[in-house]
Amino acid sequence: DAGVTQSPTHLIKTRGQHVTLRCSPISGHKSVSWYQQVLGQGPQFIFQYYEKEERGRGNFPDRFSARQFPNYSSELNVNALLLGDSALYLCASTKRDREETQYFGPGTRLLVL
Amino acid sequence: AQSVTQLDSHVSVSEGTPVLLRCNYSSSYSPSLFWYVQHPNKGLQLLLKYTSAATLVKGINGFEAEFKKSETSFHLTKPSAHMSDAAEYFCVVIPLGGYNKLIFGAGTRLAVHP
Repeated sequence: DAGVTQSPTHLIKTRGQHVTLRCSPISGHKSVSWYQQVLGQGPQFIFQYYEKEERGRGNFPDRFSARQFPNYSSELNVNALLLGDSALYLCASTKRDREETQYFGPGTRLLVL
Repeated sequence: AQSVTQLDSHVSVSEGTPVLLRCNYSSSYSPSLFWYVQHPNKGLQLLLKYTSAATLVKGINGFEAEFKKSETSFHLTKPSAHMSDAAEYFCVVIPLGGYNKLIFGAGTRLAVHP
């Protein structure tokens, strides 16, 4: 079975632009979470979605938004990009809500110039 | 608030020698604790998890960790390092009621030398 997939793998944007990152969970998984990993730090929780509803939100500005589609795939959107948004963005999936063991994708590396 | 502190940002060992990666946690209750490994250009992989069933937890690839409440520690060990163990390791805690909201430590980069 395929694991969690993310696209694109790499992305370069300039300040002020908008970006959309995509994630497909493992088949049968209904929950998707997003994390931001800045270079040299551990990942930080951004959002969790389950059955298309937001179930959790981390300490990120409103420039960050996400949604989940009927097929359980998800998009993370970031508006008005800042240099500090440069990071590896990770997606993780679980079968159910409130499940501790998460399965991570390889991430999308975003560079903001 | 729950948190984890990884005491070493870098650890270097020789192949075949023991590995010790240190993690202390801060929590007012008995937490769920994890170790994840991140190889370059690959996703995070779960090594092992502690959920109060047993204090010594065995994981994949020969790793194990011991939960010590008196020391608020959850150190990761392996008896004999292999070159393929070179990676970034993260200690992780789940906050009370926050099942999907993992809280990561800053990470420990493990280098293994021949």
